[in-house]
Amino acid sequence: EVQLVESGGGLVKPGASLRLSCAASGFTLTPYSVNWVRQAPGKGLEWVSYISSGGHFIYYSDSVTGRFTISRDDAKNSVYLQMNSLGAEDTAIYFCAGPTSTTTSRYFDLWGRGALVTVSS
Amino acid sequence: SYVLTQPPSVAVAPGQTARIPCGGNNIGNTGVHWYQQKPGQAPVLVVYDNSDRPSGIPERFSGSKSGNTATLTITRVEAGDEADYYCQVWDRNIDHVVFGGGTKLTVL
Repeated sequence: EVQLVESGGGLVKPGASLRLSCAASGFTLTPYSVNWVRQAPGKGLEWVSYISSGGHFIYYSDSVTGRFTISRDDAKNSVYLQMNSLGAEDTAIYFCAGPTSTTTSRYFDLWGRGALVTVSS
Repeated sequence: SYVLTQPPSVAVAPGQTARIPCGGNNIGNTGVHWYQQKPGQAPVLVVYDNSDRPSGIPERFSGSKSGNTATLTITRVEAGDEADYYCQVWDRNIDHVVFGGGTKLTVL
């Protein structure tokens, strides 16, 4: 089965760091772009970051620029989100998502189930 | 930054047609994509590139655009269609993904 699986979520204190992983299963991630999208409790979807195939292009939302770093390891079929200087506003379910086509990166037809990140003292 | 505006809620009776609008400046110049999200689940793509449907999505779901508004239309609404719906675009001016605020569809 083709799927994305997030891991690494948890409860951390304000100012702490956390690294999320997104592992591809049932297919090779190499030719595809990947995004992180988050959803705060009871709120809507918020795009966080994008990484192109090969990692040549990387983009961040204004709310995480300078604090979060996206990366990929195609040998491990995985994408990562390093999150530093976490604050309560970063509390959310973090989804990795992407296209299953190599001809577009504009929409996401494959989503993981999400990883919960809670930032609280 | 680019803003997509959706009404917080839409309510329709079973069997009727639901129309969920998504407004954005110059939205006619970019592809619009729509997602369905049920409680506790990940979003599911239901329309991409304005009006195309992924495989497995019923023909009852369709998308259109007119002027500065894109619309997701669901015909013959069923109880199982009750969910949050989000529109999304790629803002190519700054290479950011933008989601609308979401619309909760209630089936009366």
